[in-house]
Amino acid sequence: SYVLTQPPSVSVAPGQTARVTCGGANIGVKSMHWYQQKPGQAPVLVVYDDSDRPSGIPERFSGSNSGNMATLTISRVEAVDEADYYCQVWDTTSDYAVFGGGTKLTVL
Amino acid sequence: QVQLVESGGGLVKPGGSLRLSCAASGFTFRDYYMSWIRQAPGKGLEWLSYISTSGSTVRHADSVKGRFTISRDNAKNSLYLQMNNLRAEDTAVYYCARVMTIVNNWYFDLWGRGTLVTVSS
Repeated sequence: SYVLTQPPSVSVAPGQTARVTCGGANIGVKSMHWYQQKPGQAPVLVVYDDSDRPSGIPERFSGSNSGNMATLTISRVEAVDEADYYCQVWDTTSDYAVFGGGTKLTVL
Repeated sequence: QVQLVESGGGLVKPGGSLRLSCAASGFTFRDYYMSWIRQAPGKGLEWLSYISTSGSTVRHADSVKGRFTISRDNAKNSLYLQMNNLRAEDTAVYYCARVMTIVNNWYFDLWGRGTLVTVSS
């Protein structure tokens, strides 16, 4: 089955840029989606189709996807961005949704 | 408002059964595929199953195939997950989620708050 690999943690100072990566075989041909989950809350979609943002998501959130790596970029990081972030694709071979293991973003 | 609300979680003994429900409101439920996704304590997200708009097509992850069954009642705007032969490793928060289906690119644009299932003797 398809595997998505994320770093367990990323740390960034307020105001800086955070980059959360998600690796997978030839992932650039798939559409990547990203979710934010704060403690005790349900996940929230923050980026879909590699780089689109749902209504209400700040422009500070952006995404890219090419080759074997997708990246969620959070510009001008704020304390409120501290959360777990999950990448997700739909594996058409198995007809499954596949999630990465999640990355904990810590704002220093 | 647009929302999903899960219910039916609780404590159950190994080998037992439980039926989760998800009530949808604020959107045309019958127009959307739906899914169940779970999260074990301190762990990541695990997709479990999806169901088509009419309920004629369902798919389950290997980890729950043969034990869990997804279903829906469009007249009641409700999604269900029947869970049988529960194991300790099924302990998790269970989320229902609305599926955006665009060609072969599916994702989850609306999530409920989840319901906790604990399997323990």
